[in-house]
Amino acid sequence: NAGVTQTPKFQVLKTGQSMTLQCAQDMNHEYMSWYRQDPGMGLRLIHYSVGAGITDQGEVPNGYNVSRSTTEDFPLRLLSAAPSQTSVYFCASSYSRANTEAFFGQGTRLTVV
Amino acid sequence: DQQVKQNSPSLSVQEGRISILNCDYTNSMFDYFLWYKKYPAEGPTFLISISSIKDKNEDGRFTVFLNKSAKHLSLHIVPSQPGDSAVYFCAAYGKAAGNKLTFGGGTRVLVKP
Repeated sequence: NAGVTQTPKFQVLKTGQSMTLQCAQDMNHEYMSWYRQDPGMGLRLIHYSVGAGITDQGEVPNGYNVSRSTTEDFPLRLLSAAPSQTSVYFCASSYSRANTEAFFGQGTRLTVV
Repeated sequence: DQQVKQNSPSLSVQEGRISILNCDYTNSMFDYFLWYKKYPAEGPTFLISISSIKDKNEDGRFTVFLNKSAKHLSLHIVPSQPGDSAVYFCAAYGKAAGNKLTFGGGTRVLVKP
């Protein structure tokens, strides 16, 4: 049982480049979300989805896009990378509507130079 | 403005003793609280939760206490073990508070053998 799988684990981008962080879950969870973790700031919600075809913004959505074409996948797109987007990114999924008791992926460490 | 705060960024405790982690929140619309544990290079994992209709929830060595009037919760780990060394995140949820999880900044716990 893979749970929540994120790829890649590490990535270095140049300012202005774009990329997609992949997230897939095999638990048939309806609810998925993306967080970024920065020192001293905990986990901040970027975007979330309550089901296929439905997405919404979180606390820090600027510079990121998401889509949810299937229940399993929830990719996060960086449109034009900036050094401020250097962070560790976590994807999460959960059964509950509240996005509580979520299962997290192992994270993607992104550095923008 | 952080709605969930963990004011102690780190905590060091001797093996076998009690670890007490604290968390304060400002939004009275939060009605469900969770603790997550995170090891380096891994995603957070759910540890324990409490609903606002309770003031205590216990699971083995872990107990969470909620004081709604003070908008304060705490996590007690008794006895502490070296494997408990990790970063602990407090999180809060409320359907009327935005229907998403809000995390604190985390407390790094070191349990010394």
